[in-house]
Amino acid sequence: SQQGEEDPQALSIQEGENATMNCSYKTSINNLQWYRQNSGRGLVHLILIRSNEREKHSGRLRVTLDTSKKSSSLLITASRAADTASYFCATSSGNTPLVFGKGTRLSVIA
Amino acid sequence: DGGITQSPKYLFRKEGQNVTLSCEQNLNHDAMYWYRQDPGQGLRLIYYSQIVNDFQKGDIAEGYSVSREKKESFPLTVTSAQKNPTAFYLCASSILTGTGGRGYTFGSGTRLTVV
Repeated sequence: SQQGEEDPQALSIQEGENATMNCSYKTSINNLQWYRQNSGRGLVHLILIRSNEREKHSGRLRVTLDTSKKSSSLLITASRAADTASYFCATSSGNTPLVFGKGTRLSVIA
Repeated sequence: DGGITQSPKYLFRKEGQNVTLSCEQNLNHDAMYWYRQDPGQGLRLIYYSQIVNDFQKGDIAEGYSVSREKKESFPLTVTSAQKNPTAFYLCASSILTGTGGRGYTFGSGTRLTVV
């Protein structure tokens, strides 16, 4: 079952611009995580935000969580060509495995 | 360095053949997972295991089997009953099943193609 749904499905920006991706989910969660996947590779964990947190930063990444709207956003500031990848949100509910969304494909054009 | 290793990177299966995908981790993680990734469908859970000698079905377990005889190893067998096995298979591990702890660590994947 797919819990998170990312929006947009694809995003193309110029290097140096900010990239914003959104994730909506349906049920209550313990935490929400964002992962990155380069083409043909495994996923890499980026950041985790707990249900009692509203905002979290890690380097050029900023994640927000609005549990009342069941949504999260991932902001990548000052994008670089190396940020080109697919980004997935994943939700954790109870003692069950993470449920992943379908991802946003980000292209950063140099 | 600790990590999770999947092999082989590419695998070709003939019709009616069973194939086994390997997943090994040296992170001392208790939980391990298998996901299938198809284009445009994100990741779907096949099986997961929280402890040695125990595993649970995920959303798309039909046509697959697993074993967890050692903490470090969680091989996935794609049986002939899986009618559409062509996909990218990802193995992951974590400290805790539910909360995700510090997140999942993924292998680099196995691309399986039916020939």
